[in-house]
Amino acid sequence: KNQVEQSPQSLIILEGKNCTLQCNYTVSPFSNLRWYKQDTGRGPVSLTIMTFSENTKSNGRYTATLDADTKQSSLHITASQLSDSASYICVVSENTGFQKLVFGTGTRLLVSP
Amino acid sequence: NAGVTQTPKFRILKIGQSMTLQCAQDMNHNYMYWYRQDPGMGLKLIYYSVGAGITDKGEVPNGYNVSRSTTEDFPLRLELAAPSQTSVYFCASSYSTGEQFFGPGTRLTVL
Repeated sequence: KNQVEQSPQSLIILEGKNCTLQCNYTVSPFSNLRWYKQDTGRGPVSLTIMTFSENTKSNGRYTATLDADTKQSSLHITASQLSDSASYICVVSENTGFQKLVFGTGTRLLVSP
Repeated sequence: NAGVTQTPKFRILKIGQSMTLQCAQDMNHNYMYWYRQDPGMGLKLIYYSVGAGITDKGEVPNGYNVSRSTTEDFPLRLELAAPSQTSVYFCASSYSTGEQFFGPGTRLTVL
């Protein structure tokens, strides 16, 4: 069964600190992996999209990595800010004609002052 | 550009009532989607459309219907609302299989 698992479920860090969120997936055939940020009460917003051949992709203070061999990805947040408090969702796209997305349940991050 | 807009933001329904969740996008995207997000769960695809006049079922279509008469609009119809349909509903759009842009969501409670 195609699944996306994320860890930890929740995380609290101090403002200015770094953190890394993990994503493991069993989706096959694989097309791409996406990280979304979802603020409370809002829709998800795309941070990065990585294909099979990409190992690292950055978007400002967000850096995503992908190891397609072990089917693992991580999202590293540098110098966290209060506005980083949100849920971060890992999403894997199946390589079918429609490219169905399989969503993880997210990591809820709280950045504390 | 307004992006993806959804109305209403909140709604409470009684069991057995019907309603339509509205979704519109102004990015000229050909693909549109409806998802539901239950507490502690990943988003699940309800229905999707790859163009005007074309719709198809996702993972959890039971109890819902859609139509796509224009490129811009993709309404979701709930017939005979049930408590199991209490959820947050997100509409999204994309240019083919590219990045999906999500609306702000509709929080629906069925009592």
